[in-house]
Amino acid sequence: AQKVTQAQTEISVVEKEDVTLDCVYETRDTTYYLFWYKQPPSGELVFLIRRNSFDEQNEISGRYSWNFQKSTSSFNFTITASQVVDSAVYFCALSEALGAGGTSYGKLTFGQGTILTVHP
Amino acid sequence: NAGVTQTPKFRILKIGQSMTLQCTQDMNHNYMYWYRQDPGMGLKLIYYSVGAGITDKGEVPNGYNVSRSTTEDFPLRLELAAPSQTSVYFCASSYHGSYNEQFFGPGTRLTVL
Repeated sequence: AQKVTQAQTEISVVEKEDVTLDCVYETRDTTYYLFWYKQPPSGELVFLIRRNSFDEQNEISGRYSWNFQKSTSSFNFTITASQVVDSAVYFCALSEALGAGGTSYGKLTFGQGTILTVHP
Repeated sequence: NAGVTQTPKFRILKIGQSMTLQCTQDMNHNYMYWYRQDPGMGLKLIYYSVGAGITDKGEVPNGYNVSRSTTEDFPLRLELAAPSQTSVYFCASSYHGSYNEQFFGPGTRLTVL
């Protein structure tokens, strides 16, 4: 069965510090998709990135970067020069292409989330 | 383009009452999902649908029912509410399923007393 682990329950940093959020996943599928979502204090879920299992290239988007390593089953998220507005809960999620029944229909398995607090 | 909308935003139920959480999307997505988020936890899948008339159970379906009569709407029914169903409920939709990101509604905060 698929599983996503975010071992860091809470992280607290001071503004302008860099911070890395860890995500480790388990799956038997060879084709799968990894996601990061942000949940700000207002409660909605905001999509940040999708990465498929065949693409191990790291990605950078402004202050955000993602490091995908299949060898360690990890998909870590780094925020450079953190800002107060980055304070939120961040979720890593996994979707298998096939799953146990032959197709997963995009069902997401979420990690427990990491609460990031950025202090001014 | 409103995306995914959910009503109500908040609701308090008494034990044993029933209610329907409404979810509508205007993106013509075939795939729709219901998740619940308990405090300090990630989201867990309750039910999902791959098109009108087709639904299936997720990880935590007990105590819930769904229907999908149109592409746009995917209501979640709670029968005989229990305190264990106190949670925040999110509806989501996606175009393709595994490949595409899911778009989430704003959530419904439900308390069962």
